[in-house]
Amino acid sequence: SQQGEEDPQALSIQEGENATMNCSYKTSINNLQWYRQNSGRGLVHLILIRSNEREKHSGRLRVTLDTSKKSSSLLITASRAADTASYFCATDRGQAGTALIFGKGTTLSVSS
Amino acid sequence: DAGVIQSPRHEVTEMGQEVTLRCKPISGHNSLFWYRQTMMRGLELLIYFNNNVPIDDSGMPEDRFSAKMPNASFSTLKIQPSEPRDSAVYFCASSTSAHTQYFGPGTRLTVL
Repeated sequence: SQQGEEDPQALSIQEGENATMNCSYKTSINNLQWYRQNSGRGLVHLILIRSNEREKHSGRLRVTLDTSKKSSSLLITASRAADTASYFCATDRGQAGTALIFGKGTTLSVSS
Repeated sequence: DAGVIQSPRHEVTEMGQEVTLRCKPISGHNSLFWYRQTMMRGLELLIYFNNNVPIDDSGMPEDRFSAKMPNASFSTLKIQPSEPRDSAVYFCASSTSAHTQYFGPGTRLTVL
């Protein structure tokens, strides 16, 4: 069963615009991660935010975490055509050493 | 580092045949994960190993699926007999903990 659910399922924007994707989860977590998957490729880790953190930045990425609402958002600023991909949130099950559970992803299309 | 290596990259087989997928994790990683990705069900965890020991195989669909990890540098996922509904992309991932996972390129399996 899915722990994380991304919203929206699909997003189309123009280059230079910002893209925001949301993730909701069901149970308590130790950390939440975001991954990117380009078409036909494996997933690539983007960023990890711990349960005691509220916001984290990495380059053009900004992730927020609200544990009271069990939700997270990924913001990509000044998007580029190369950002076109599917984005997944992944959560653990609240226990260190357990596997991750991935949502179904948001498909982002950035047109030039 | 070569990253996670999977073989074959593509496999086309007929219903009833045995299929073996292979994975070489990143050297030094002690956790290995097998996932299956389909449009309908998204990315599903099948099984994962810590230090070559299967920890959670609750995601393995049925007895037709089996996975082994005879040593720290090799794992197999076997389907016997295969069925058309097994068609999917199978990913192997490895990590040093259950946090950041590094994915292989995947094996695209088609069962006719």
